[in-house]
Amino acid sequence: NAGVTQTPKFQVLKTGQSMTLQCAQDMNHEYMSWYRQDPGMGLRLIHYSVGAGITDQGEVPNGYNVSRSTTEDFPLRLLSAAPSQTSVYFCASREQSNQPQHFGDGTRLSIL
Amino acid sequence: RKEVEQDPGPFNVPEGATVAFNCTYSNSASQSFFWYRQDCRKEPKLLMSVYSSGNEDGRFTAQLNRASQYISLLIRDSKLSDSATYLCVVADTLSGYALNFGKGTSLLVTP
Repeated sequence: NAGVTQTPKFQVLKTGQSMTLQCAQDMNHEYMSWYRQDPGMGLRLIHYSVGAGITDQGEVPNGYNVSRSTTEDFPLRLLSAAPSQTSVYFCASREQSNQPQHFGDGTRLSIL
Repeated sequence: RKEVEQDPGPFNVPEGATVAFNCTYSNSASQSFFWYRQDCRKEPKLLMSVYSSGNEDGRFTAQLNRASQYISLLIRDSKLSDSATYLCVVADTLSGYALNFGKGTSLLVTP
């Protein structure tokens, strides 16, 4: 059972570099989302999608872009990495709005 | 006012103890409620959904009080392996996304 798969699991970047965090789910879920989690801050929503072709901003979208060309994939792009983006990033999906979310096992990102 | 509030703890309890957490939510239109468990720096995992009539799963009991806008989680006969952070999640299904996470309550079960 693959569920929600995130790659890479760890990444170190230099300030100003760009990269894409990958997220894929094999459960045919419509809803997908990206969170970041920092110590003492809890989970904060970056971007979300309610279906292919539909994305919207969450609580902390600045510095990140997303797209949803297929139901399965929801990549998160860092445009120009900054040290403030050092965090653990979780992708999640759910079938409907009233259903629980399934999380990937996270990407630990450090920006130097 | 925050959408979902939890006491961050930590709650330190001995093995075998019963412990309860509460979580309050501000949006009376909230429709769905969940408890998640998160181990240190790992992904949150669904512990249980919370139903209006209350529900039980082994040592875990969840309750919903719509009038007072809170949900609770009761853990009986605590195990060392219950040590984790417990996240309260509230969904407002009338809006586009609105899945609100509490910051979590930390539980440490000691021998």
